[in-house]
Amino acid sequence: DGGITQSPKYLFRKEGQNVTLSCEQNLNHDAMYWYRQDPGQGLRLIYYSQIVNDFQKGDIAEGYSVSREKKESFPLTVTSAQKNPTAFYLCASSIDGTGISYNEQFFGPGTRLTVL
Amino acid sequence: AQTVTQSQPEMSVQEAETVTLSCTYDTSESDYYLFWYKQPPSRQMILVIRQEAYKQQNATENRFSVNFQKAAKSFSLKISDSQLGDAAMYFCALFLDAPDKLIFGTGTRLQVFP
Repeated sequence: DGGITQSPKYLFRKEGQNVTLSCEQNLNHDAMYWYRQDPGQGLRLIYYSQIVNDFQKGDIAEGYSVSREKKESFPLTVTSAQKNPTAFYLCASSIDGTGISYNEQFFGPGTRLTVL
Repeated sequence: AQTVTQSQPEMSVQEAETVTLSCTYDTSESDYYLFWYKQPPSRQMILVIRQEAYKQQNATENRFSVNFQKAAKSFSLKISDSQLGDAAMYFCALFLDAPDKLIFGTGTRLQVFP
């Protein structure tokens, strides 16, 4: 079955530690995205990548970093510089992220990160 | 700046009845797409319905339909014959061609009572 997987489902980290969230897709999609969801708010874009080895900052990139070394993988690192990292993180992908026309974004099941 | 506003934090409906969720948006672009996403307790985001701004006809997907008023920048979702499985958070979202990103509203929590 094709889809997007995110692991782990729940993640705990101590304050001051970096942590990496995994996102893998086997849909052969070019574009991938990371969103953050907080209670009472919609999803906000952290980073996105339209093609391998390229990525752009979204609206709330501070304190986060990403890499896109492989088409199917787009890991997100939450660094110690992120002041309030406790949130639900969603990864998504779409066939083509060039914005020429809309391609549906498919979402993964998400990772709940809690900073202790 | 582009914004999406959902003014109803919570709504409730009786099973088999109809409910309408409101959404307004703001953009200076003429070409865009609008969406309603459903997020059940599993937190998986599911696309419910989409509307292209250039289309005057309102989109319909089975029990789900929209009322798209482009001049008023309004995009409401109507759920007919509500079912218990419709209980979820519903997010309205705006997509612009450039940059390639979705802009989400804050969501409406829908409760369905038997």
